[in-house]
Amino acid sequence: DGGITQSPKYLFRKEGQNVTLSCEQNLNHDAMYWYRQDPGQGLRLIYYSQIVNDFQKGDIAEGYSVSREKKESFPLTVTSAQKNPTAFYLCASSPRSPNSPLHFGNGTRLTVT
Amino acid sequence: AQSVTQLDSQVPVFEEAPVELRCNYSSSVSVYLFWYVQYPNQGLQLLLKYLSGSTLVKGINGFEAEFNKSQTSFHLRKPSVHISDTAEYFCAVRVGVSGGYNKLIFGAGTRLAVHP
Repeated sequence: DGGITQSPKYLFRKEGQNVTLSCEQNLNHDAMYWYRQDPGQGLRLIYYSQIVNDFQKGDIAEGYSVSREKKESFPLTVTSAQKNPTAFYLCASSPRSPNSPLHFGNGTRLTVT
Repeated sequence: AQSVTQLDSQVPVFEEAPVELRCNYSSSVSVYLFWYVQYPNQGLQLLLKYLSGSTLVKGINGFEAEFNKSQTSFHLRKPSVHISDTAEYFCAVRVGVSGGYNKLIFGAGTRLAVHP
């Protein structure tokens, strides 16, 4: 079955360390996205990519970086510059057409202490 | 700027009762509207979507929503809820722009708690 795989499901890091969250999709979607979810704040867009080797900042990109070297993969690095990294991170993908819904992975819960 | 407002952060309801989760959006252009459901520690799953045509949209799990352009609303309803409907529900709007990127804007979410 096609879908989006995020790994790991839970991740623990010490403050000051960079950490990379994995996102892989086999839906053949062009566009991929990273969202951050905090209680009571809904989802906020970190980065998005519409095509391989291209990506754009979302609303809260500071302290994060991404790459899109393959259509299937869109890893997110949470750097030590991110002031409040503890959160639930969701990866999504979609075809490029505007009326297509997003398909989500099951998320990675990152805890930084 | 476009925005999505979910008017209730929490909605408690008894099993088999009807429920309505309210969503209002602001946009000066055509929009595509979505409702997603999120169970604990999982990703979001699409419940239903409005793209065009009939203003009453039916989705999975017995949910439906009505698009009201004059009131810029897209409320989600279910005539009889089950314990298993306990989850967080997100309304989202995607602005239709030809070419380019179409941002999906989410509301803050409504937590539906179904009690026996």
